[in-house]
Amino acid sequence: DQQVKQNSPSLSVQEGRISILNCDYTNSMFDYFLWYKKYPAEGPTFLISISSIKDKNEDGRFTVFLNKSAKHLSLHIVPSQPGDSAVYFCAATHSGTYKYIFGTGTRLKVLA
Amino acid sequence: DGGITQSPKYLFRKEGQNVTLSCEQNLNHDAMYWYRQDPGQGLRLIYYSQIVNDFQKGDIAEGYSVSREKKESFPLTVTSAQKNPTAFYLCASSRANTEAFFGQGTRLTVV
Repeated sequence: DQQVKQNSPSLSVQEGRISILNCDYTNSMFDYFLWYKKYPAEGPTFLISISSIKDKNEDGRFTVFLNKSAKHLSLHIVPSQPGDSAVYFCAATHSGTYKYIFGTGTRLKVLA
Repeated sequence: DGGITQSPKYLFRKEGQNVTLSCEQNLNHDAMYWYRQDPGQGLRLIYYSQIVNDFQKGDIAEGYSVSREKKESFPLTVTSAQKNPTAFYLCASSRANTEAFFGQGTRLTVV
């Protein structure tokens, strides 16, 4: 049972435009959500997170939106840069469980 | 420098052998984790530990074992019972309700 889903395996965006990566979850107990960026043969690096008490969190070019009623979150990257080309994972957890559940990832390619 | 160190970076295992992957952290994090990455399947949780001398199975624990004798260390043993061990293994650590930090990974190949 895939509790965290990223339905788009890949996405291509022109440099300077907006990249929107989507993530859906099924477990209503999740209350903390995270986005990670990963290059091949390296560990994921943390990008941005959001608590379920918020619906938006912004950090520079990265903004995460959370729609609890739809059990959906998205990561917006504006403007997209070629260095943003990587695989992006969303993850979710429930406070106190320490257990992070990851999606299958979306490969973003930013075209120069 | 604070961080998580995984070793070795590459590991080759013969059929029927047990191998142990090392993970050490100096971030003073309570929790540590092992994930496995296969193409198209994202990161799947093998085991995690919230405190020393305690650990819980994740979604794919069969064929793996762990220990948590020290806060800083969480080694993973891939046993001969694991039928498809070739994968990229990632160790992580975290405090409560914050982001997890990952090591650089170990690529295990069965030869």
